[in-house]
Amino acid sequence: GAGVSQTPSNKVTEKGKYVELRCDPISGHTALYWYRQSLGQGPEFLIYFQGTGAADDSGLPNDRFFAVRPEGSVSTLKIQRTERGDSAVYLCASSPFRDRGYNEQFFGPGTRLTVL
Amino acid sequence: DQQVKQNSPSLSVQEGRISILNCDYTNSMFDYFLWYKKYPAEGPTFLISISSIKDKNEDGRFTVFLNKSAKHLSLHIVPSQPGDSAVYFCAAIDNSGNTPLVFGKGTRLSVIA
Repeated sequence: GAGVSQTPSNKVTEKGKYVELRCDPISGHTALYWYRQSLGQGPEFLIYFQGTGAADDSGLPNDRFFAVRPEGSVSTLKIQRTERGDSAVYLCASSPFRDRGYNEQFFGPGTRLTVL
Repeated sequence: DQQVKQNSPSLSVQEGRISILNCDYTNSMFDYFLWYKKYPAEGPTFLISISSIKDKNEDGRFTVFLNKSAKHLSLHIVPSQPGDSAVYFCAAIDNSGNTPLVFGKGTRLSVIA
């Protein structure tokens, strides 16, 4: 079946511009996560959705970053006034919801964002 | 402050030999540990996991060992194959469920034929 997809695969923008990154989770997965992987680092958590609501946004670095998931499926990560330090691979993951036990997170291929 | 540490950025192993990748953690609330494998231009894919109530989990050529008292885990791959060449991330989670993973920085494994 289809896995997690992310578009675009690459995005080059200029400092100060606005960007949107899209994630299509696996059908039926209620949990959706955004991570950011900077060069030489592991993925770092940004925000987690359960359904339509952001259950945990403690990883968003500042108020330039915002994410939505209006219908509980596709999610968009929005970055305003981009800075060169925002350059990274942005990873999306989804998982089915269970009320106990670990739920495996399935990752998309990522969007590589380059801010010039 | 890194809660999950992978102190070896890279490892080179000959085909057929054992690969051992190490991971340390500092948060005693972590109760589930995972290894992910990542090829270039792809997202991380789940490889193997272990619950904190166990000290070993084996799946084919892959075995993960957990030493809770030392807050240390390791991934053993034997025999190593060229297709195993990738970046391996150790990750941990607390209060298993729908919470985010905490990743280490990764170890790049190169298996030489």
